[in-house]
Amino acid sequence: EIVLTQSPGTLSLSPGERATLSCRASQSVSSSYLAWYQQKPGQAPRLLIYGASSRATGIPDRFSGSGSGTDFTLTISRLEPEDFAVYYCQQYGSSHTFGQGTKLEIK
Amino acid sequence: EVQLVESGGGLVQPGGSLRLSCAASGFTFSSYWMHWVRQAPGKGLVWVSRINSDGSSTSYADSVKGRFTISRDNAKNTLYLQMNSLRAEDTAVYYCARDDWNDLFFDYWGQGTLVTVSS
Repeated sequence: EIVLTQSPGTLSLSPGERATLSCRASQSVSSSYLAWYQQKPGQAPRLLIYGASSRATGIPDRFSGSGSGTDFTLTISRLEPEDFAVYYCQQYGSSHTFGQGTKLEIK
Repeated sequence: EVQLVESGGGLVQPGGSLRLSCAASGFTFSSYWMHWVRQAPGKGLVWVSRINSDGSSTSYADSVKGRFTISRDNAKNTLYLQMNSLRAEDTAVYYCARDDWNDLFFDYWGQGTLVTVSS
């Protein structure tokens, strides 16, 4: 099973700042089959990024994904108040596993 | 508009059974693979099971294999999860999710239904 480790566990930033979230896989993720989801309290997850770097429909361009192999990054260029949430990475190259999440909180 | 609406959650005793449903609308349900994902209170997301578009192929997480059964009724646009021999560690919100293509990422999610296993 591919284990995904996200860092940091919690990220404290202010609106307008840049956020960089990391997702590291225990083994190479085939074909960059890596997705990112956003989850707000009491809500279902929402797809942000798939294929490591492709934005899902309706996702603002301040969200971007990068990486390959075992190291992936989600970047939010300028934080808006609605971006404070928990973010999960998921690999779908070998069954499906999720990272443990990064909580992005207002500083 | 794609909609996924789960139902069937509730309180059940350890060793009991429960069947979850997920009613789909706004898309051609019979063309899409579907999944169940769960989230224990305050914890992260865990993939549970998936089924292909015609129901002929299924897959399960090791933690539920032999106890849970995923199925679908394409005539009723409904996905199911039959859960038997429930344990306290199965307590979670259960989400159904649509697969973007074939065993890939999840592009739409339902709002979830809470299953609590407790005596």
